[in-house]
Amino acid sequence: KQEVTQIPAALSVPEGENLVLNCSFTDSAIYNLQWFRQDPGKGLTSLLLIQSSQREQTSGRLNASLDKSSGRSTLYIAASQPGDSATYLCAVRPQGGSEKLVFGKGTKLTVNP
Amino acid sequence: EAEVAQSPRYKITEKSQAVAFWCDPISGHATLYWYRQILGQGPELLVQFQDESVVDDSQLPKDRFSAERLKGVDSTLKIQPAELGDSAMYLCASSQWTGGSTNSPLHFGNGTRLTVT
Repeated sequence: KQEVTQIPAALSVPEGENLVLNCSFTDSAIYNLQWFRQDPGKGLTSLLLIQSSQREQTSGRLNASLDKSSGRSTLYIAASQPGDSATYLCAVRPQGGSEKLVFGKGTKLTVNP
Repeated sequence: EAEVAQSPRYKITEKSQAVAFWCDPISGHATLYWYRQILGQGPELLVQFQDESVVDDSQLPKDRFSAERLKGVDSTLKIQPAELGDSAMYLCASSQWTGGSTNSPLHFGNGTRLTVT
């Protein structure tokens, strides 16, 4: 059974700092990995999707990497801003069957002005 | 940008009552998902539809939960009777997935926050 773990559970940084969020998964047989952002009481916003054949994806100040063989992904946020404060969720799509995503519990990020 | 619509945003109900949630996916998206997210946890899939057919409902508590997508467009999730442990955020998502090894991102709605008292 695929399991996704995100460390740390919470992170607090000063504005302007570069930071890395970590995600690990137990089964490397995945189609893709997706990073989401969730603001309090809201739904999920897709940030980046990395296909299993890719090593990284970039969008603005965000860069996500994928090392499928070791079961790890990182989300790098450059020059963090208070508006980046949110919970960041990692999800993998296991191979086979339906397009079901398996989520981690998320990392709650606070960027202090 | 097109969005997944959900209603209501909030619902408070007493245990043993019936509740229903509605979702309208992005136009043209064949696949619709209902996820449940308990506070502090990641979302877990309850049911997945492709058009009007159920693809995966292995985690749906079928003794009290039901879901339908009669015309392959919007969907309703029902709980009867509600229990205290059902308090959670219920998220609907849609994607263009139609089977196979595609890489279609999921688009989520803002969810329905259910509180059972």
